[in-house]
Amino acid sequence: EAGVAQSPRYKIIEKRQSVAFWCNPISGHATLYWYQQILGQGPKLLIQFQNNGVVDDSQLPKDRFSAERLKGVDSTLKIQPAKLEDSAVYLCASSLFSTGTGELFFGEGSRLTVL
Amino acid sequence: SQQGEEDPQALSIQEGENATMNCSYKTSINNLQWYRQNSGRGLVHLILIRSNEREKHSGRLRVTLDTSKKSSSLLITASRAADTASYFCATVNTGNQFYFGTGTSLTVIP
Repeated sequence: EAGVAQSPRYKIIEKRQSVAFWCNPISGHATLYWYQQILGQGPKLLIQFQNNGVVDDSQLPKDRFSAERLKGVDSTLKIQPAKLEDSAVYLCASSLFSTGTGELFFGEGSRLTVL
Repeated sequence: SQQGEEDPQALSIQEGENATMNCSYKTSINNLQWYRQNSGRGLVHLILIRSNEREKHSGRLRVTLDTSKKSSSLLITASRAADTASYFCATVNTGNQFYFGTGTSLTVIP
């Protein structure tokens, strides 16, 4: 079974530029999550999708971050314009279940450096 | 913040020793899970304990949960150098939101 795919693995941009990350979850997984992990910290939930609907985006900085999940499968996370404090690893995860009874499967992450 | 807290932040032990890390949280939960993260990689699920369970075992892993104290512990027995990684607890609510703790960095010295 293929795992969660993310790209790009690494991205370096200057502040005020824009960047987009892509995630393809495990086939059949209805729930998709984006997390931000700053170096030395635990993952922080940015947004949670159930199929193509948003369940929770309370911690997403909506003035600069946006995310979508087209057709309930792939998802993109965009940052525009980027700030220095956005330097982090952006992790995508998916789950088969929607009731909190399953586990998360993570991709390898996309490491963003903002200069 | 709904994020849990783990302690210790860092732990260094000799191969063959046991490693114990603790997680405290603030909200009510459906279950609590532990994940492992090797440097530069994504997180990998280790074990899940439901809110009505008190203890669970999986291989060299033992997890306990005390919902009255809102705390959990992860014990890794007979540690190996390959266990070197960061370990995170995640609290899961009925809305399927997963909130991760601050993590414990474990170093196992061969």
